[in-house]
Amino acid sequence: EAGVVQSPRYKIIEKKQPVAFWCNPISGHNTLYWYLQNLGQGPELLIRYENEEAVDDSQLPKDRFSAERLKGVDSTLKIQPAELGDSAVYLCASSLGLSGDTDTQYFGPGTRLTVL
Amino acid sequence: AQSVAQPEDQVNVAEGNPLTVKCTYSVSGNPYLFWYVQYPNRGLQFLLKYITGDNLVKGSYGFEAEFNKSQTSFHLKKPSALVSDSALYFCAVTASGGSYIPTFGRGTSLIVHP
Repeated sequence: EAGVVQSPRYKIIEKKQPVAFWCNPISGHNTLYWYLQNLGQGPELLIRYENEEAVDDSQLPKDRFSAERLKGVDSTLKIQPAELGDSAVYLCASSLGLSGDTDTQYFGPGTRLTVL
Repeated sequence: AQSVAQPEDQVNVAEGNPLTVKCTYSVSGNPYLFWYVQYPNRGLQFLLKYITGDNLVKGSYGFEAEFNKSQTSFHLKKPSALVSDSALYFCAVTASGGSYIPTFGRGTSLIVHP
């Protein structure tokens, strides 16, 4: 069974440019998460989807970040415009979505963003 | 607000020796606790979780963790370390009645020396 797929794996952009990350969750997983991981830190949740509905997005900086999960499968996270402080690893995870806060999450390899 | 503390940035152990990676937590409500491992340039991989029941939880790759409610701890252990166990380990917590937003610790780098 394929795991969570993310692309690109690495992205280097200049500040003020837009950037987008794509995530394909494990087949059959209803819940999808986007995390931000800074160097030397644990992941911090940006947004959580249950199917196509964003149910936790309080930590998403909505002035520059946006996300969508059309048809409740793949998801895209966008930053426009990017700032130097956005340099980090962006992780996508998915879970079955059957047991809420006890769900096991499965993580993709992440996208490492460098903003110059 | 919930929180997780991993008091050691790095743990060094010789191959074949037992290892412990420490985690303490703070939540309102019943805690649900997780351990994940992260290898370089890889995403986090699930090791084990405590939901309810037996305080000793067994997981992947020979790892286990003990839930201690009175000490609010969930330390990760393995009886005999392997060089291949060298990686970054993250403890995470959610809580009953919460918002399903997990809180992760900062991570502990485990280095197993041959």
